[in-house]
Amino acid sequence: DTEVTQTPKHLVMGMTNKKSLKCEQHMGHRAMYWYKQKAKKPPELMFVYSYEKLSINESVPSRFSPECPNSSLLNLHLHALQPEDSALYLCASSQVIRAAARGYTFGSGTRLTVV
Amino acid sequence: QKEVEQDPGPLSVPEGAIVSLNCTYSNSAFQYFMWYRQYSRKGPELLMYTYSSGNKEDGRFTAQVDKSSKYISLFIRDSQPSDSATYLCAMSAHLDSNYQLIWGAGTKLIIKP
Repeated sequence: DTEVTQTPKHLVMGMTNKKSLKCEQHMGHRAMYWYKQKAKKPPELMFVYSYEKLSINESVPSRFSPECPNSSLLNLHLHALQPEDSALYLCASSQVIRAAARGYTFGSGTRLTVV
Repeated sequence: QKEVEQDPGPLSVPEGAIVSLNCTYSNSAFQYFMWYRQYSRKGPELLMYTYSSGNKEDGRFTAQVDKSSKYISLFIRDSQPSDSATYLCAMSAHLDSNYQLIWGAGTKLIIKP
């Protein structure tokens, strides 16, 4: 299994809603990442988890809250988002953080629309 | 000046042509160079990874790194309509715990049948 699976594929939420994005991988990777990608832009790093511990938080607003319940799962909890947060949210993994230099495996993403 | 420069295109070529995609960079510490392909509404997919200078070939794809010129290229031979996608270069300097990828803007490639 060489996949990163993200659910849901699409999500529409109101500014007062609470929702969660889910990411799962069964490749034994110990580094997992959340990225945000706006249209026609490269991915922007949001969070990095290494061995289930938060390693990097790229100054992301607190309305985004990551969670890594175990080595295969990564969640992104969303609360009180703004319309400008509408984007493609990508999960990725690598064997360990150092191995990211040789490339990530990305999921297909969750397309989020905030109304 | 951005750390990594990549022409966003679009680049439109006929089927069967050789495609050349390029990135320039300013940080001489970059050692790891990657090319990702991203289809519309999908996540990026790693195509090629190169360490330091030189060439790497995989099927119809060839990645080149010229560190003296701070220039990397991806060549696609015998291009197919299925190669139509956005191609992103990415690079990295560090292997420590503060590792981070630096991305180009992506080039949209269109292969005309």
